[in-house]
Amino acid sequence: NAGVTQTPKFQVLKTGQSMTLQCAQDMNHNSMYWYRQDPGMGLRLIYYSASEGTTDKGEVPNGYNVSRLNKREFSLRLESAAPSQTSVYFCASSEAPGTSYYEQYFGPGTRLTVT
Amino acid sequence: DAKTTQPNSMESNEEEPVHLPCNHSTISGTDYIHWYRQLPSQGPEYVIHGLTSNVNNRMASLAIAEDRKSSTLILHRATLRDAAVYYCILRDRNNFNKFYFGSGTKLNVKP
Repeated sequence: NAGVTQTPKFQVLKTGQSMTLQCAQDMNHNSMYWYRQDPGMGLRLIYYSASEGTTDKGEVPNGYNVSRLNKREFSLRLESAAPSQTSVYFCASSEAPGTSYYEQYFGPGTRLTVT
Repeated sequence: DAKTTQPNSMESNEEEPVHLPCNHSTISGTDYIHWYRQLPSQGPEYVIHGLTSNVNNRMASLAIAEDRKSSTLILHRATLRDAAVYYCILRDRNNFNKFYFGSGTKLNVKP
């Protein structure tokens, strides 16, 4: 099992450009998440998807959109990138509540720089 | 949302026990206490969680105060591989999708 995979690993954008970060998991998890981590800080939740077909805002959703394409894939889109979105982005997944829902599995991260 | 307070950094010697404290004075009755750690240049990984009772697993032990306003993550014998940032997180049982990581404790392990 690959676990949670993210593409790309690194990306540099100019202000105003758009891009989509891809995330996939092969653990048959229902829930998926996008976080951002700024230098020296903890992770902050951007959006999450409790199950296929649903998405909800987290702590810092402004400037982002998400798509839960299917059970495996959850993408994060920046429509018009800003320097304040320079960060490391982590995708995570977990099982549904009532099972072993306490553990989130994280991907390796995407390091994004907006100039 | 209930928040946690942790020391910014701690230092330990290799093969000695480490006690990482966490204060969560505004914890509610439905909040689980979770610990994750983040090794350099990696995503976080789950360590342990608990509600009221002390918990043990192969990685660590979690000691929860009787009033639940604080907890301590115990690494029984620190190794160099345990050098990481440790996050104490409260997770609402009624809103399980929302984690608040805080800034964590950076643990340095000396050989």
